[in-house]
Amino acid sequence: EAQVTQNPRYLITVTGKKLTVTCSQNMNHEYMSWYRQDPGLGLRQIYYSMNVEVTDKGDVPEGYKVSRKEKRNFPLILESPSPNQTSLYFCASRPGTAVEQYFGPGTRLTVT
Amino acid sequence: QKEVEQNSGPLSVPEGAIASLNCTYSDRGSQSFFWYRQYSGKSPELIMSIYSNGDKEDGRFTAQLNKASQYVSLLIRDSQPSDSATYLCASQGRGGGSNYKLTFGKGTLLTVNP
Repeated sequence: EAQVTQNPRYLITVTGKKLTVTCSQNMNHEYMSWYRQDPGLGLRQIYYSMNVEVTDKGDVPEGYKVSRKEKRNFPLILESPSPNQTSLYFCASRPGTAVEQYFGPGTRLTVT
Repeated sequence: QKEVEQNSGPLSVPEGAIASLNCTYSDRGSQSFFWYRQYSGKSPELIMSIYSNGDKEDGRFTAQLNKASQYVSLLIRDSQPSDSATYLCASQGRGGGSNYKLTFGKGTLLTVNP
């Protein structure tokens, strides 16, 4: 089954404790993105990657890191999480030149 | 700054009615437009895409695009309670690089009342 998976789905952590949210897709898609979704602010892109070892900042990259060492994986790293990073996070992937973007199930992160 | 604007709603319609959702975009270079449906706490799901001026129909859904007015709409005929969700409008520019990025509106909450 074609899918985007994220782990963990739910995470409660404390300020400053480094964490990684994993994202994996099995569709051989070139383009992957991370979004955060907050009430009243909609979906905002954090980082995107156009292929292995090619990443770039989206609209709200501060406080986040990403890497793309393999085509299927695109982890999101919070080196020192803060309460303002409490949000619902979505990973997404799409073929390089086609249009449909597939979203993962989401990760609800709470930073206390 | 590329922007996509939507009325946040909520838009409330009775079951069986037509729901009309609207969206405007700021970037005249945008080439592709999408409507996503998102149930509360779930991930967005693509329901319609449209690339040229005019109407595109798929079942109960019709997307309309007017590039001159920079306006996109989604009509849902015979609305059902299961259509109650937030609808996200998104646009994409042409070319490569950052233009692969989808710019999303904040969404319109639709409630269909039985």
